[in-house]
Formats: sequence, structure tokens, C-alpha cells
Amino acid sequence: GNSVTQMEGPVTLSEEAFLTINCTYTATGYPSLFWYVQYPGEGLQLLLKATKADDKGSNKGFEATYRKETTSFHLEKGSVQVSDSAVYFCVLLSGNTPLVFGKGTRLSVIA
Amino acid sequence: ETGVTQSPTHLIKTRGQQVTLRCSSQSGHNTVSWYQQALGQGPQFIFQYYREEENGRGNFPPRFSGLQFPNYSSELNVNALELDDSALYLCASSPPGGRNEQYFGPGTRLTVT
Repeated sequence: GNSVTQMEGPVTLSEEAFLTINCTYTATGYPSLFWYVQYPGEGLQLLLKATKADDKGSNKGFEATYRKETTSFHLEKGSVQVSDSAVYFCVLLSGNTPLVFGKGTRLSVIA
Repeated sequence: ETGVTQSPTHLIKTRGQQVTLRCSSQSGHNTVSWYQQALGQGPQFIFQYYREEENGRGNFPPRFSGLQFPNYSSELNVNALELDDSALYLCASSPPGGRNEQYFGPGTRLTVT
């Protein structure tokens, strides 16, 4: 079945550090891939998405490239801020199946 | 434009009781999905409602049931509560033809004691 594996946290970084959160997936067909973010006390928000191989999703300085050959969709940001502290979820959508979430990676950015 | 809203924010119930959680979809959205998010885990799909009918269900027992109303708002009902039902329950709505787009509410935190 479809599944998503993302790196376990928590991840603690200093402000302005480089961020990578790894995500790999298993799916039949050609899935769409997403990163959602959950800020403390808030609902899930779509951060970025990619719907086909080699697409790059980007938003708020975050980027992720859909790599079919490595079945990966790693999230990166060049310089994190304290306000980026949140839980990040890698998510897959394939065919008529519902969204499949990874377990989430908690990021803490310290000043 | 009002986003997805859920009520109540927090709820404490006793094992064996029944609970109803409510969700108002974003304006113009006609599909509602419900998810359960246990502590430290990613959300798990419970079911989806479209045009007032259940339109897909995850691996949850029948004591989890739902409704969708003509205004596209929705309820999640859980009977015979168990301790493991303690979780954050998330509702998400989608626009017509926009299955890729799910807009989440802030969730209802349910604690079963």
C-alpha cells in the first residue's frame, strides 16, 4: 500500500541554519506529494506541493523537489527563522485513496 | 472568507460515553474529510463525505460514524468511547473538483478518561 517515511525528530537548529527534512514514499501509480505544517495550537496548513516528477514546490523560502528515481520529496530551507518552529508532515495522494501522512517531524529553531 | 471551523475546541469524556464533534466547511467547499491524529503521530483518515453520503472510509470501526448536512457542514460521532480514542480530530474541506486541495480546521482535542 501507499506509505510515507520521514525523518524522525525532533530537529533543533539555530536561527539562519540550513534545514533538510527527508521524506521518501511508496506508492502505486503517480502520486501527488505535499508538505503540510502544523504550528503550535493551529490546524494543518499546506506549505507546498508537487504533482509530477521533477516538479519543485516552493513557498515561504521552503522548497521540495519530486524525485521519482529516488522516490523522495525532501524539504529544504536555506535559512530558518524562529517562526518556522512547527511540526512538518510529508503527505502523499495517489489515485482515489485518501491523503497518507508521515509521522511528522518537529522542528525547533532557537535564536 | 471564513475557513474551516470545528467545535468544541477541547472535550473530556469518560470511557463508554458517546461524543459528537462538529465541522463547518469553508465557503463553497462540498467535500469534508475527518482525520484522527494521535499524540506524536500523523493524521489517519477516518472517512470522507460528499453530497451527504460517505465517500470512502479508513480503517476505523463502525462506532465511528458521520453525517454531512445540506450546507456541507459535518458531524463525527463516536460511540462507546475507548481510552485509545483520545486524540486530536481534524476536519478538512475541499472545493468542487479540488481533491488535491484540503483545508484543515484547528481540530478538536478529545480526552477519554
